[in-house]
Amino acid sequence: DGGITQSPKYLFRKEGQNVTLSCEQNLNHDAMYWYRQDPGQGLRLIYYSQIVNDFQKGDIAEGYSVSREKKESFPLTVTSAQKNPTAFYLCASSWPAVASEQFFGPGTRLTVL
Amino acid sequence: KNQVEQSPQSLIILEGKNCTLQCNYTVSPFSNLRWYKQDTGRGPVSLTIMTFSENTKSNGRYTATLDADTKQSSLHITASQLSDSASYICVVSSGGSQGNLIFGKGTKLSVKP
Repeated sequence: DGGITQSPKYLFRKEGQNVTLSCEQNLNHDAMYWYRQDPGQGLRLIYYSQIVNDFQKGDIAEGYSVSREKKESFPLTVTSAQKNPTAFYLCASSWPAVASEQFFGPGTRLTVL
Repeated sequence: KNQVEQSPQSLIILEGKNCTLQCNYTVSPFSNLRWYKQDTGRGPVSLTIMTFSENTKSNGRYTATLDADTKQSSLHITASQLSDSASYICVVSSGGSQGNLIFGKGTKLSVKP
């Protein structure tokens, strides 16, 4: 899990509610990422940020929002517009270079009740 | 379409035995290929990263190979241990930025005593 923490580990949400997942890293990495993992599928990129105050949409950004106000923090908000939010969410960080290793956090499992 | 396919989908072996996992990709352009190990309910951990010019890379009992001509990679695990039970994910980067990673669905390995 390196120097990346995600909280909470488990999260339950009622339909129609927004919820924010926390991701913090102390690796001094410039780049941070949010992925979604569903059973039997590969990880899919939601958002990524290569520098503070800048972020880009990934492949499945609809229904999600992020902010990058500090280098060490990259919170993800799952909004009520996300139709199927139940999933395992993974945060990662790395140096910006293309061949740099991505370090992943322990993940947050979100369940919509 | 950029794709990463892994086989087999799942594998059961006895402790102490060797095994080989396969990864075929149709990603272009190609920048690098990574293998990750993911324990159940945890974040992935990097095993190897190989660039176009590297054919083999080892990390302890894990040895990855890359054939850029046939667009195939394999991960060989020697003298398996119970702790090797996990999902193994092949990831290919198409360059540009680390937002261009294509993830395979993974091979779930179970090592039995």
